[in-house]
Amino acid sequence: EAAVTQSPRSKVAVTGGKVTLSCHQTNNHDYMYWYRQDTGHGLRLIHYSYVADSTEKGDIPDGYKASRPSQENFSLILELASLSQTAVYFCASSDAGAGTGQLYFGEGSKLTVL
Amino acid sequence: GQQVKQSSPSLTVQEGGILILNCDYENDMFDYFAWYKKYPDNSPTLLISVRSNVDKREDGRFTVFLNKSGKHFSLHITASQPEDTAVYLCAAGATQGGSAKLIFGEGTKLTVSS
Repeated sequence: EAAVTQSPRSKVAVTGGKVTLSCHQTNNHDYMYWYRQDTGHGLRLIHYSYVADSTEKGDIPDGYKASRPSQENFSLILELASLSQTAVYFCASSDAGAGTGQLYFGEGSKLTVL
Repeated sequence: GQQVKQSSPSLTVQEGGILILNCDYENDMFDYFAWYKKYPDNSPTLLISVRSNVDKREDGRFTVFLNKSGKHFSLHITASQPEDTAVYLCAAGATQGGSAKLIFGEGTKLTVSS
């Protein structure tokens, strides 16, 4: 059974609309991450969190917010979606911080902004 | 700028051949190095990782070589098989200073032809 699940798996949004991507993990991991995948850019870190009710900015946080209401759940919020945010988004969890341990990824959420 | 760079966007190798994927990094603080494998429409999974206290780690057909002075690490795959066809992402992170970020390269698309 998948330990990191994302929803929705696919979404079409309009420019300027609000989008929320959700992630749930059953790994009992402290660390959770949101990455986006674009062709030619690999995976780029947007936000991460190492404890509930606290989030940290990654390398490309502009235009995104994050929320970690509990250890299991981590959301990525696009308040005003833009065309440039069309991408596949991956959530991941880790038990010791990405600098020390393996990342376990969700299945990805494909977002298309029109 | 890109802290972790992969030199080849794509590679093709004949089945049974040996191939080398390369990755360069900028941050002297990085001391954890990993290779992830990603099939189309799937999430990345950890293939092999190494810490900076060793310069080589082998796991079956896969070997990671680390050159800290050159800020370079590589993945060697022997006896390549068609199922090795995938995108390979290198990643690096720092365990000191409380960093929890794993930085990925752009990815190398590998095709193993039979």
